[in-house]
Amino acid sequence: KAGVTQTPRYLIKTRGQQVTLSCSPISGHRSVSWYQQTPGQGLQFLFEYFSETQRNKGNFPGRFSGRQFSNSRSEMNVSTLELGDSALYLCASSVDRYEQYFGPGTRLTVT
Amino acid sequence: SQQGEEDPQALSIQEGENATMNCSNKTSINNLQWYRQNSGRGLVHLILIRSNEREKHSGRLRVTLDTSKKSSSLLITASRAADTASYFCATDEGFQKLVFGTGTRLLVSP
Repeated sequence: KAGVTQTPRYLIKTRGQQVTLSCSPISGHRSVSWYQQTPGQGLQFLFEYFSETQRNKGNFPGRFSGRQFSNSRSEMNVSTLELGDSALYLCASSVDRYEQYFGPGTRLTVT
Repeated sequence: SQQGEEDPQALSIQEGENATMNCSNKTSINNLQWYRQNSGRGLVHLILIRSNEREKHSGRLRVTLDTSKKSSSLLITASRAADTASYFCATDEGFQKLVFGTGTRLLVSP
């Protein structure tokens, strides 16, 4: 099976812009989670989607949003980018709650 | 913010030696998982230890769990250069929400 794929892999944006990141889960996986990783805050949970419904959300401002499509692919959007949004954004898919499969991440740099 | 604290923050050993890293949590530990991350890339699931288990083995990995102390340890035996990575513990808070520890950076020198 193909693994979790994330596009783009690298992205440079300017403060105030918005960005959309994409995640394609492993075939058959209906749950997709998103995490932000920064040197200062480490790995933090953003949100999780299952069958197009957001089931869980982390403690991030409303500028961070996401959605899931009927084919389980997911996107996350960050509006009005801030310098502090520079991070590695990781997507993970899973079948059950005990093992998540992570993609390679999208490295976002905000200048 | 993260709930898990990992110790040590960094560990440097020679090939063939054992590496032990510890994870402690402020709140109760539920179904603790360990992940490995190579150089800022995606995480790879290593092992799950459920709340009712005390010890688990997988190849060269040995994980222990002490729910009363809210802590876990990961032992990698006979380390190899390819084990060089960051290791994270994560507790499950439901609906796929993992709360990760701060991580241990392991360097295994040939």
